[in-house]
Amino acid sequence: AQSVTQLDSQVPVFEEAPVELRCNYSSSVSVYLFWYVQYPNQGLQLLLKYLSGSTLVKGINGFEAEFNKSQTSFHLRKPSVHISDTAEYFCAVSEKTSYDKVIFGPGTSLSVIP
Amino acid sequence: DAGVTQSPTHLIKTRGQQVTLRCSPKSGHDTVSWYQQALGQGPQFIFQYYEEEERQRGNFPDRFSGHQFPNYSSELNVNALLLGDSALYLCASSLKRFTDTQYFGPGTRLTVL
Repeated sequence: AQSVTQLDSQVPVFEEAPVELRCNYSSSVSVYLFWYVQYPNQGLQLLLKYLSGSTLVKGINGFEAEFNKSQTSFHLRKPSVHISDTAEYFCAVSEKTSYDKVIFGPGTSLSVIP
Repeated sequence: DAGVTQSPTHLIKTRGQQVTLRCSPKSGHDTVSWYQQALGQGPQFIFQYYEEEERQRGNFPDRFSGHQFPNYSSELNVNALLLGDSALYLCASSLKRFTDTQYFGPGTRLTVL
């Protein structure tokens, strides 16, 4: 069965500093990978997704992620964070053989400090 | 273009009661998925509807059921509510192939007392 691990439950970072949010997954088959952001009292918004092709994926708001198949990782990065990036970030995976079902990680709370 | 809408925004029920949550997908989308998000956790997949049929289901008991209407809108029904059913219920819509982007609604906050 597929699963998603987000190693850091909380990540505090100063404004304009770089940040990396870690995500590892487990699956016996090929997968699609996603990062979502959730602002307080709102639904989820897709930041970026990896379906195939280039392992470096660029998303909205200056975020990017790199798919590493050998390490089964899909870490999210941003070179310079802003106060407005404070939110909950979720990594998610779906198996290519069953793309209807998505498994989310427990989330990482990013707090940007002025 | 309206995005995904859900109603009601908040709901308070007591144990044993039944509840119905509603979702209208983004214009042009024909697939609706439902998720349960407990406080401090990631969303958990409940089920997905396409062409008015349940296409996939997560690890949720039969107390959780759904329906999709010809206009693609959907309902989530939960019977015999338990305290543990208290959560944010999210609806997401997409086109037939899930690999298309899922658009999430703002959710319905259900509190069971």
